[in-house]
Amino acid sequence: DTGVSQDPRHKITKRGQNVTFRCDPISEHNRLYWYRQTLGQGPEFLTYFQNEAQLEKSRLLSDRFSAERPKGSFSTLEIQRTEQGDSAMYLCASSSPGTGTQGSPLHFGNGTRLTVT
Amino acid sequence: KNQVEQSPQSLIILEGKNCTLQCNYTVSPFSNLRWYKQDTGRGPVSLTIMTFSENTKSNGRYTATLDADTKQSSLHITASQLSDSASYICGTYKYIFGTGTRLKVLA
Repeated sequence: DTGVSQDPRHKITKRGQNVTFRCDPISEHNRLYWYRQTLGQGPEFLTYFQNEAQLEKSRLLSDRFSAERPKGSFSTLEIQRTEQGDSAMYLCASSSPGTGTQGSPLHFGNGTRLTVT
Repeated sequence: KNQVEQSPQSLIILEGKNCTLQCNYTVSPFSNLRWYKQDTGRGPVSLTIMTFSENTKSNGRYTATLDADTKQSSLHITASQLSDSASYICGTYKYIFGTGTRLKVLA
């Protein structure tokens, strides 16, 4: 399967601890996105990379969140000093550049479910 | 305010029946509208991408429509199967997603 891979699938941590998630996009995709999704809600945009450059970051994202994409391949999302409100599914997606207004589909991974106790 | 609203929130139908899910959007600038299927515990899977110039697009038993004047889109599922049980989310590229319609298909 050459889809988007996320690791770990589940993470339980205590409040105040740091956590890091990894995303491996589809190899030929140069665009990578991170989202957060809570129960009963749609994905909430966090940040966007084109190759290794972080081009957009949601204003909702606190300074405790940081993402990297070294060498334009895999990406990591780190949350420092976790809070209970950070409990959610963290989704990664990748896409190739779209043409015109059609765009190209986002290919999502199956996410990392974070539980902060 | 850019937003996407979906209805109904949830829907239960019998296997073999058809159903239609609704999506109203107020997004500017608008480039395209996307429908996704999300199984429980998994990431969304893209079903269709519709631009403002497209009225209808089909993907197997899924048919999406778009009315750019009224800013409404619908997803019609024909001859539903048990495996169609999932959440269906509409949204724009990258930023705006609805809260989804949770569909349950019963045998």
